[in-house]
Amino acid sequence: EIVMTQSPATLSVSPGERATLSCRASQSVSSNLAWYQQKPGQAPRLLIYGASTRATGIPARFSGSGSGTEFTLTISSLQSEDFAVYYCQQYNNWPALTFGGGTKVEIK
Amino acid sequence: QVQLQESGPGLVKPSQTLSLTCTVSGGSISSGSYYWSWIRQPAGKGLEWIGRIYTSGSTNYNPSLKSPVTISVDTSKNQFSLRLSSVTAADTAVYYCATERGYSYGWFDYWGQGTLVTVSS
Repeated sequence: EIVMTQSPATLSVSPGERATLSCRASQSVSSNLAWYQQKPGQAPRLLIYGASTRATGIPARFSGSGSGTEFTLTISSLQSEDFAVYYCQQYNNWPALTFGGGTKVEIK
Repeated sequence: QVQLQESGPGLVKPSQTLSLTCTVSGGSISSGSYYWSWIRQPAGKGLEWIGRIYTSGSTNYNPSLKSPVTISVDTSKNQFSLRLSSVTAADTAVYYCATERGYSYGWFDYWGQGTLVTVSS
C-alpha cells in the first residue's frame, strides 16, 4: 500500500498570505495525485487532479505542483473561505487508492 | 450534473451488517464510464476508500479493511449499495458515496453529502 504523508498537520496563516501544503508518497506515484478541500460538516471538494490540473470552477489562487514522491498545494492569497482541511490522494496504483492524513489551514 | 445521496440506518449494533444505499440523480448510473465508490471518515480523522463498482458489476475493494465488504448496483433504481458485515465500533464513521469519471481516472469529482453511521449496542 502506498502511504501518503501530509505536513504540517496544522498551518496557521493570516488572510491574504500564501499557504504551502506538502504531501509525500512512500513510493513514486508519478503525477497521479489529487487534492481536496473539506469544510466542517461538508463532503470533500475536488481541487486538483493530475498533480497540477485545477478542477472545474476552482479559483486560480489554488495551484498544485510536484511529481514522483513530493507534491505541493499552494494557495497564493488566502481568502476567508479557504480555511479548511486539505487532503491529498494518490491513484497511481489504481484500482487501489489512498489518502493522506490531511492538513488543517487555520486563521492565524 | 451528477448528484449523489446516501441513505440508510444511522445506528447499527456490533457484529451486525451495515447497509447503505447511494441514489444517483442527474443521469443514468449505467450511462457513460463512471465508477461508483464508497469512502468513509471517522470523526476527526482522514478519509478511507472502501471500494468501487462499475455498472457491469465488476468491483474493487480496499484490502486493508477488516470487515467483509460487498458493493452492488441496481441499475433499475439508479442506485448502488454498500454492505459491511460483522461491524465493530471502529466502523463508526461518516460514509460518503462518490464517483470517478472513468477507468483509472482515480479522482472523485462528485460526492454525496455523507451519512453518519454509529456502531453501538
